[in-house]
Amino acid sequence: QKEVEQNSGPLSVPEGAIASLNCTYSDRGSQSFFWYRQYSGKSPELIMFIYSNGDKEDGRFTAQLNKASQYVSLLIRDSQPSDSATYLCAVKVWNNDMRFGAGTRLTVKP
Amino acid sequence: SAVISQKPSRDICQRGTSLTIQCQVDSQVTMMFWYRQQPGQSLTLIATANQGSEATYESGFVIDKFPISRPNLTFSTLTVSNMSPEDSSIYLCSVDRDRATEAFFGQGTRLTVV
Repeated sequence: QKEVEQNSGPLSVPEGAIASLNCTYSDRGSQSFFWYRQYSGKSPELIMFIYSNGDKEDGRFTAQLNKASQYVSLLIRDSQPSDSATYLCAVKVWNNDMRFGAGTRLTVKP
Repeated sequence: SAVISQKPSRDICQRGTSLTIQCQVDSQVTMMFWYRQQPGQSLTLIATANQGSEATYESGFVIDKFPISRPNLTFSTLTVSNMSPEDSSIYLCSVDRDRATEAFFGQGTRLTVV
């Protein structure tokens, strides 16, 4: 079992719709969870982080964490073509190493 | 946040040669990380570099192939040795400040081995 799993996609949504990205992780001791966005040919940039169960909202982005289910998600409201990128879920494990999922490629169609 | 300068940004190298990638951070950090991102893949941790000690390598990566230096708290290098086309990848330097915070990335080095 991979440590961090994501649907590879591609996920395609129309402009203005909600994009839902999902991630599961295997290490129950994980404490910190991150979503990164990576445009083609660029390095990852942080979108959001979440530490506690529940929802965390930042503008059009909402991260959701459920530690009991070992599940973390990212919702993007009012999706824009500029949101088209690969979204990486990352989890910090017990020794502070960050483990990344394979990424979900999102395309927002005008 | 942290500003990380990584160079070179890209290089094309002959097989059998070595390339050293440099990573400079604008402030002192305890831990620096080196990742590889192969085409169409996610990030794979190569090793963790702590100042004053040997780097800790992940399974599948060895010091002879990927020697790392960490001479101070703001600088690290990764060398890709005896390169083959399979080493063609993006190599990324990363830092974080403590257990709870996010990782920041350098611009990446796009390596092509011919």
